[in-house]
This record gives sequence, C-alpha cells and structure tokens, in this order.
Amino acid sequence: KNEVEQSPQNLTAQEGEFITINCSYSVGISALHWLQQHPGGGIVSLFMLSSGKKKHGRLIATINIQEKHSSLHITASHPRDSAVYICAVSMYSGGGADGLTFGKGTHLIIQP
Amino acid sequence: DAGITQSPRHKVTETGTPVTLRCHQTENHRYMYWYRQDPGHGLRLIHYSYVVKDTDKGEVSDGYSVSRSKTEDFLLTLESATSSQTSVYFCAISESVGTGWGNIQYFGAGTRLSVL
Repeated sequence: KNEVEQSPQNLTAQEGEFITINCSYSVGISALHWLQQHPGGGIVSLFMLSSGKKKHGRLIATINIQEKHSSLHITASHPRDSAVYICAVSMYSGGGADGLTFGKGTHLIIQP
Repeated sequence: DAGITQSPRHKVTETGTPVTLRCHQTENHRYMYWYRQDPGHGLRLIHYSYVVKDTDKGEVSDGYSVSRSKTEDFLLTLESATSSQTSVYFCAISESVGTGWGNIQYFGAGTRLSVL
C-alpha cells in the first residue's frame, strides 16, 4: 500500500507570494497527480506526471522519481488560488489503471 | 464535470436503510471509480470498474457493493447504511493513455450522504 504524505497541511500566504506544496510517497508509482478542490466544490485534475516537470500558467509541478517526491509551485499567488491541493498516486496494473491513493491535502489560503 | 452526473447530490437517511448512489457518464470512458472523502482521511477508494460487469474492491469496500451493467452507469449501494458511512462520495472516470502510464481522472460533483 502506498503511503502519500503532504506538507504543509495548512498554508496561509499573502497575495503575490511564491507557494510550494510538497508530496512524498513510499512505493514506486506509474504517475503522480495534483488535484485542486475549492470549498464546497468538485475536484479538478491539475497535473499528471511521471517524470520531470510540467507547467500550466502560474502552476508548476515537478517530480523526482528516485527520491519519491513531488512539489507543486504557484507563482504570483492570487486569492482565487485558495483551495485544497491534493497529491495522489496511481499504480498501473496489467489489467488497467487502479484507483488513486491520496494524500490528505494542503489547505491553502491566499490573503489579499 | 467532464460529462459526469452524480445523483442524488444530497441525501439524508436512517441507519439500517439501503441507499443507492448513481454515477452516469457521457464520455464513454472505460474506467469508473467510487471514492469517499472524510475529514482527517482524505479521499479513499471504495470500488472501481475496468469494464462493464467487471468490478474490484478498493481500500474501504466493506459495507458497499457496486454494479456496472452499462458503460455509462456505475451504481454504489449501501445495503444497510451505518453512521460511519456518512461522507461525501465522489465518482470518477478515466480512460487509459497507454501501457505503463497512469490516467487522468475526472470527478463528479459529489454526493453528500448523512446517515442518522
């Protein structure tokens, strides 16, 4: 069973700050996912990556397979970035893709 | 929500009653999943389905059953609801992107279930 740990659990920052959320996992994976959940809202996939780095707008996700670690960065943070950010991992099996194993999430608040 | 509809969106029921939650997709994706989300635990996998009529258990499957008779529908049943099953339930779908890779999952809006 893969253990997925996120840090920090809670993060409050000022608008414009550079944000980093960390994720580590215990067992080799096929891919790592970053998800976003707004209060009372649904869950949206931000990134899926198995190596290197991906960028979308102000969001950057990196993964180090050897260290079993990933980071999600937000540049020039804005109050609308306030949400819960969830790290999850997938394990590929021969019959298809199994479900995700999730971290407990990082609750981010960006103050104006 | 990527063509995923969960119903009902909210339900209050009593301990011991049967409850069925429905997930309907219009994307023709092969894989479907049921998760529950609880404070302090995050999201956890209940059951999933690779293909019609083929399902498998996840991490927290006790007390739940599922059925998938059509590609587009995945039903989650609580045969006799308990207070510990009070939770927010999310359905997700995905389609394989190739051997050895994970697959992006698209989530429904969730069903908030309260068992009194």
